[in-house]
Amino acid sequence: DQQVKQNSPSLSVQEGRISILNCDYTNSMFDYFLWYKKYPAEGPTFLISISSIKDKNEDGRFTVFLNKSAKHLSLHIVPSQPGDSAVYFCAAKLTGGGNKLTFGTGTQLKVEL
Amino acid sequence: IAGITQAPTSQILAAGRRMTLRCTQDMRHNAMYWYRQDLGLGLRLIHYSNTAGTTGKGEVPDGYSVSRANTDDFPLTLASAVPSQTSVYFCASSDSGTGEYNEQFFGPGTRLTVL
Repeated sequence: DQQVKQNSPSLSVQEGRISILNCDYTNSMFDYFLWYKKYPAEGPTFLISISSIKDKNEDGRFTVFLNKSAKHLSLHIVPSQPGDSAVYFCAAKLTGGGNKLTFGTGTQLKVEL
Repeated sequence: IAGITQAPTSQILAAGRRMTLRCTQDMRHNAMYWYRQDLGLGLRLIHYSNTAGTTGKGEVPDGYSVSRANTDDFPLTLASAVPSQTSVYFCASSDSGTGEYNEQFFGPGTRLTVL
C-alpha cells in the first residue's frame, strides 16, 4: 500500500518555465513533508520541506505548497533550469515516528533548452 | 572521509551467496537508515537504527539484517541473496534529537545485481 504517491513518473518542461511536481498521501498522521532531489549515480539530497501546520514554504526558486484537506502537496520550480533535471522524491514523516521517512515513487524532471 | 561512504559501489552476486553492504558516516549522527530504490517503487526503508546498539525494521526488512556496533558503521547483510534483491541500496544518516525533523543525508549508493 503506497502511502505517498507521485502519479507522474516523468515531466518535461522548457527552460525558464515553471515546473510543478505533485504528490498525494493517504495517511493523515503525516506531520512533515519533504522533497529530495536525485541525480544519476548519486544519493538523494534534501531540497525543501514543510510542516503540516503551514501551507507554503519558499526557498529561492523552489516553493512547496501543502493542501491538508486534499492530502496533496506540490513543488514549484520557477524559473526551471537545465540543472534541475533530476528525479524528485516526495517524502513524509509520521507523527511520533521518529525521523523515519516514507518516500513516493519519484518523478523524473527534464528541463529542455 | 566526508559525509557517508558506501562500499562496494556495485556488485554482481550469485543467488544464495551471502553479502554485506558497508556504510560509514563521519558526521556523528545518531540515526542511520538503509533504503532500496526500485523503478516504480521509489525508496523503501529496509532497516534503521536510532542509536548505536539499537535497530528497527522498516517497510521491507525480510531477507536483510543489520547491526549497529558503533556510531559510525551500519552494515546491511543479505544472508542468502535472491534475484528480487537486485536493487540500488542507499544508506543515510541523521541526527535524532528533538525537533520537527532532522535532515537525512544519503550515501552514493550500491548497485547490487543478484543472478
